[in-house]
Amino acid sequence: RKEVEQDPGPFNVPEGATVAFNCTYSNSASQSFFWYRQDCRKEPKLLMSVYSSGNEDGRFTAQLNRASQYISLLIRDSKLSDSATYLCVVALYGQNFVFGPGTRLSVLP
Amino acid sequence: DAGVIQSPRHEVTEMGQEVTLRCKPISGHDYLFWYRQTMMRGLELLIYFNNNVPIDDSGMPEDRFSAKMPNASFSTLKIQPSEPRDSAVYFCASSLIAGGSYEQYFGPGTRLTVT
Repeated sequence: RKEVEQDPGPFNVPEGATVAFNCTYSNSASQSFFWYRQDCRKEPKLLMSVYSSGNEDGRFTAQLNRASQYISLLIRDSKLSDSATYLCVVALYGQNFVFGPGTRLSVLP
Repeated sequence: DAGVIQSPRHEVTEMGQEVTLRCKPISGHDYLFWYRQTMMRGLELLIYFNNNVPIDDSGMPEDRFSAKMPNASFSTLKIQPSEPRDSAVYFCASSLIAGGSYEQYFGPGTRLTVT
């Protein structure tokens, strides 16, 4: 089993739609969790950290379920500019990041 | 701030040649990371440094790969000899652990093609 698994893509959604991505991780001792965004042929950039209590940043909401070893990302009112690959990241300790394979999102006009 | 700087941006070389990738982290950052990204394997951590000291090199694929960080503002990743399966995008990233933030800032990457 891979350390971090994500929904296979691509997700093709119309503008304004709500879309949810899921991620599962295998090591229950994992400490830190993040969502990164990667545009085509660009570098990954931090979208948001994921906290145990759940957190929201504008149209984006991240949830963590430690018992189920599951992380989610919800995007509301999707924009064309949200089209990208979304990478789930899990750190067992410190800075030792493990990236998921990513889920590609295409927001269509 | 200029962000993480990598050079070259593109490298095409023949099998068996030595390849050196370069990285300048963000000034003041105390962690530096080397990643490799391919379609098949995704984004993999190769090695990371803290205050110029290698902390974890368990991701380095084999002895053909080596990384150094002679000072806080420069790091190299060397492949010798290179093989076609080394073709990938190599990213350098840096971070500063302050106030509990673990954000890693990535450079634009070096796209390596080994023929």
